[in-house]
Amino acid sequence: EELLVESGGGLVQSGGSLRLSCAASGFAFTSYTMSWVRQAPGKGLGWVSVIDSGSGVATYYADSVRGRFTVSRDNSKKTLYLQMDSLSAEDTAIYFCARVYSWDHFDLWGQGTLVTVSS
Amino acid sequence: QTVVTQEPSFSVPPGGTVTFTCGLTSGSVTSNYYPSWYQQTPGQAPRTVIYSTKSRFYGVPDRFSGSILGNKAALTITGAQADDESDYYCMLYLGRGIWVFGGGTKLTVL
Repeated sequence: EELLVESGGGLVQSGGSLRLSCAASGFAFTSYTMSWVRQAPGKGLGWVSVIDSGSGVATYYADSVRGRFTVSRDNSKKTLYLQMDSLSAEDTAIYFCARVYSWDHFDLWGQGTLVTVSS
Repeated sequence: QTVVTQEPSFSVPPGGTVTFTCGLTSGSVTSNYYPSWYQQTPGQAPRTVIYSTKSRFYGVPDRFSGSILGNKAALTITGAQADDESDYYCMLYLGRGIWVFGGGTKLTVL
């Protein structure tokens, strides 16, 4: 079974940092571009970041997180990461990782991990 | 900044037909944006419904269909059922590694 399992969420103070992880299983992780999507409480989905397949040389970010968040991957551990720095209350959300199919759509989703930033 | 527009809510009776749309505040949505649609119920992860404008994702019932209507992408449910009651989000690929979601449409079936 193909699975994505996020972890690393929690409560952090404004200005602090947190690193999220997304463990993949059941598919060839190295071959897939991967993305992060977030959802603030009671709000809609928001695209956050993407990293391309293989060595992950290409990374892209939403304007709201560029310069503060860093996406990376460890193919040997089949794990996707999101390093989040300079957090603010506006970053409070459930963070989902998702598998990208053909730079077209997201075809596999994790269950999400909650990040709460206290001001 | 590119903003993707969706109707905030829709209500449809069981067995009825409903069409959601996905537009841009400036410009037209075409297949070149690879519009995709995602269904989400409260407390759950999103589920892929439609991709590349009109391709139905694995396991999605054929009462769901995607299209381009005028200058917008559209998701149509023909013969709505109670378990279709969810939030529906469209997503567009803007190119250069950038995606954007619409604000979502809340569907009530009653």
